[in-house]
Amino acid sequence: TQLLEQSPQFLSIQEGENLTVYCNSSSVFSSLQWYRQEPGEGPVLLVTVVTGGEVKKLKRLTFQFGDARKDSSLHITAAQTGDTGLYLCAGNPGSARQLTFGSGTQLTVLP
Amino acid sequence: DTAVSQTPKYLVTQMGNDKSIKCEQNLGHDTMYWYKQDSKKFLKIMFSYNNKELIINETVPNRFSPKSPDKAHLNLHINSLELGDSAVYFCASSRRQATSYEQYFGPGTRLTVT
Repeated sequence: TQLLEQSPQFLSIQEGENLTVYCNSSSVFSSLQWYRQEPGEGPVLLVTVVTGGEVKKLKRLTFQFGDARKDSSLHITAAQTGDTGLYLCAGNPGSARQLTFGSGTQLTVLP
Repeated sequence: DTAVSQTPKYLVTQMGNDKSIKCEQNLGHDTMYWYKQDSKKFLKIMFSYNNKELIINETVPNRFSPKSPDKAHLNLHINSLELGDSAVYFCASSRRQATSYEQYFGPGTRLTVT
């Protein structure tokens, strides 16, 4: 059982569509991060959310941290082919000194 | 300038061999990590060093030995390679923030054991 479950695992959509990716846990996290990984490269940090209920926007990407700090979502508006990649959420539960990564969502945006 | 670099990018070797992967960061971070990403893209931490001191050592076979000569470098040596060691290995670094450990990853080393 993964500490951080992401859904969906795979998502294939047309350019211009909207989508939401979820990251859920039964544990409380002091913060959650979202990364995007492209083929042949390492994950790149997109955002960190710290406060329960927090919403952060990065251009067409909107990140939300759940009120209870157990879950997070990533919403992409008007997806572009350049959004294609593996999206990973990660967090350090409780007072853990390391990150736990989610199971990942592979997003493919078709032209 | 590359923030976190790893060498080699690709490593193909036979079972039973010993190999090393090198990692360097120029971000001035005090903590470095090794992660393993399996074929299903699951990323799992292996080791963490803080100022050259081992602070996290997950359940990893003792054939894997990290070495940190200074806080900008963290190398990974693997003895007696096995087929199951085939994966992508990522080095990362971070500077502990108030409540998070934001990671800066290297480009990865794809290890193939035949």
